[in-house]
Amino acid sequence: QSALTQPPSASGSPGQSVTISCTGTSSDIGGYNYVSWYQHHPGKAPKVMIYEVSNRPSAVPDRFSGSKSGNTASLTVSGLQAEDEADYYCSSYAGNNNVLFGGGTKLTVL
Amino acid sequence: QVQLLESGPGLVKPSQTLSLTCTVSGGSISSGRYYWSWIRQPAGKGLEWIGRMFTSGSTNYNPSLKSRVTISADMSKNQFSLKLTSVTAADTAVYYCARDDYCSGGNCYSRWYFDLWGRGTLVTVSS
Repeated sequence: QSALTQPPSASGSPGQSVTISCTGTSSDIGGYNYVSWYQHHPGKAPKVMIYEVSNRPSAVPDRFSGSKSGNTASLTVSGLQAEDEADYYCSSYAGNNNVLFGGGTKLTVL
Repeated sequence: QVQLLESGPGLVKPSQTLSLTCTVSGGSISSGRYYWSWIRQPAGKGLEWIGRMFTSGSTNYNPSLKSRVTISADMSKNQFSLKLTSVTAADTAVYYCARDDYCSGGNCYSRWYFDLWGRGTLVTVSS
């Protein structure tokens, strides 16, 4: 099974919105509602931002939202802030007790 | 506050076995509320799920690594471990341990996401 496909980079100015896509297949993203997104500042522990497609942990600002359409999931960051600059990874259950991750997207706040 | 901390050798020779331990503090790995996973990231690449274990001892492994991986726990030390045999340079990566949410709000089922991670430890495979 191949990794999920993410754009290598994304960017936006403070206050703007940016959407990061994550494309899979009908065997992973399209087949299950177990898509999650992680924020990773290098050298720190990754942090879950979205789980089960669109659920947000209580500690995550509501500027972060998730959605899915067909085989593609998306993470939207609204009202960009400097501290949002990080690497973002998507993940999806792929059946047969297996999980796939994306290659990661580096988000730059201009 | 629950924390996860990876430990183990930073250098392993090719064909040998990579062994890492994750120490969990502030919570019990035998609570039955979580699975406990290992995930890795080669330099410049994306994340790769290695596998997970539950309190009962049941395990799930990435099919691509299954023949070489064992994940187990020492409940008395509140630790779980990863063993990866016959390593090559392709196994060089930052290795993370992570908690896999299972029982939220009293509802127990595999949600397949990782709600808490360690900071990772770099393992280099080289002679």
